[in-house]
Amino acid sequence: DVKVTQSSRYLVKRTGEKVFLECVQDMDHENMFWYRQDPGLGLRLIYFSYDVKMKEKGDIPEGYSVSREKKERFSLILESASTNQTSMYLCASSLRDRVHGELFFGEGSRLTVL
Amino acid sequence: SQKIEQNSEALNIQEGKTATLTCNYTNYSPAYLQWYRQDPGRGPVFLLLIRENEKEKRKERLKVTFDTTLKQSLFHITASQPADSATYLCAPLYSSASKIIFGSGTRLSIRP
Repeated sequence: DVKVTQSSRYLVKRTGEKVFLECVQDMDHENMFWYRQDPGLGLRLIYFSYDVKMKEKGDIPEGYSVSREKKERFSLILESASTNQTSMYLCASSLRDRVHGELFFGEGSRLTVL
Repeated sequence: SQKIEQNSEALNIQEGKTATLTCNYTNYSPAYLQWYRQDPGRGPVFLLLIRENEKEKRKERLKVTFDTTLKQSLFHITASQPADSATYLCAPLYSSASKIIFGSGTRLSIRP
């Protein structure tokens, strides 16, 4: 069964802390994505990656960076967390050669920055 | 820039009735349009895809239509059940783009 696993369901961090959100998929998918979801704003794309060591900015990359050292793992990094980064973070993956690009999502990581 | 609009208000439907959700987009038509279901505190789950050249697609009690003239997709759930209560997201996919963008979703509640 297809699986995208996010390392933490709930995190509480302090302003200025460095935060790592990890995502692992077991489907051998080339594409991986990080979204954040906020009430009234829907899902917004932060970064995505088509292959190992590749990354592309999404619509709201400011304040975030990513790392893709292995095909199955895509990490989202908040270098210095701020309160406006309190949100639900969703990781997703898809196959490159599936033209309709169906996304498989993880369960989400709810981050609170105090 | 491209905009996707879904009913911002929650939709409350009596069990057994047909629920209809709307997804409107601006500017150029997507090559594909996906619909996802999201339960509270969970990630979205893919439901259906419809292509630009398809007028209608069905899967069990679900039906999706795609009208490129109106720049709109409709998502129908027939014989609705309380278990259908969730937020439904539409996501157009443009053949020239590789990223999927989402509407903000419509919350559907089916009352017994």
